[in-house]
Amino acid sequence: NAGVTQTPKFQVLKTGQSMTLQCAQDMNHNSMYWYRQDPGMGLRLIYYSASEGTTDKGEVPNGYNVSRLNKREFSLRLESAAPSQTSVYFCASSPGGFREKLFFGSGTQLSVL
Amino acid sequence: GNSVTQMEGPVTLSEEAFLTINCTYTATGYPSLFWYVQYPGEGLQLLLKATKADDKGSNKGFEATYRKETTSFHLEKGSVQVSDSAVYFCALFLIYNQGGKLIFGQGTELSVKP
Repeated sequence: NAGVTQTPKFQVLKTGQSMTLQCAQDMNHNSMYWYRQDPGMGLRLIYYSASEGTTDKGEVPNGYNVSRLNKREFSLRLESAAPSQTSVYFCASSPGGFREKLFFGSGTQLSVL
Repeated sequence: GNSVTQMEGPVTLSEEAFLTINCTYTATGYPSLFWYVQYPGEGLQLLLKATKADDKGSNKGFEATYRKETTSFHLEKGSVQVSDSAVYFCALFLIYNQGGKLIFGQGTELSVKP
């Protein structure tokens, strides 16, 4: 019953460093999402992938890139981290189509110093 | 644009008190509406949903009714427990391409004291 698995759980970066957040789901879902959660702002969509081979920008895509490696995996990359990217990042997946329930991972807490 | 607005928290209640968390939305078309809950240190979990006007979603004693005329989806529970302490997110779902995406409100923190 793994569901959605995110790695790492915690990460500290210096300004300008790069890193990739990994996400994998084992539920054969078509759609996958990356959100960031900031105090008082709820969850904001960074990027999403409606199906394998497609990616689209969400509300706050600047400073991020994504790769839908295959149906299971959807990674989020920070090329040059900035303090404004300090946040908690959540990956989620859903079956897609008209089925709307999202399944979330447990999050990655990222601090950029 | 499409958006969700929730009442600000934190909301602090005593055990067995009545809970209301307000949620209003702006959307084109007829979205589905959701409440998600986030317990400390965890990701979000779906609590309940409603897919059309006048539908009532319910789960674990929580209820919310899709009110198209007031564009609202307020969350209620008759008697809260300490274990209900969490952050609650209202969201609307939009269909896009082959999938969809959720737009979340800012979240409302609930703290229930014994």
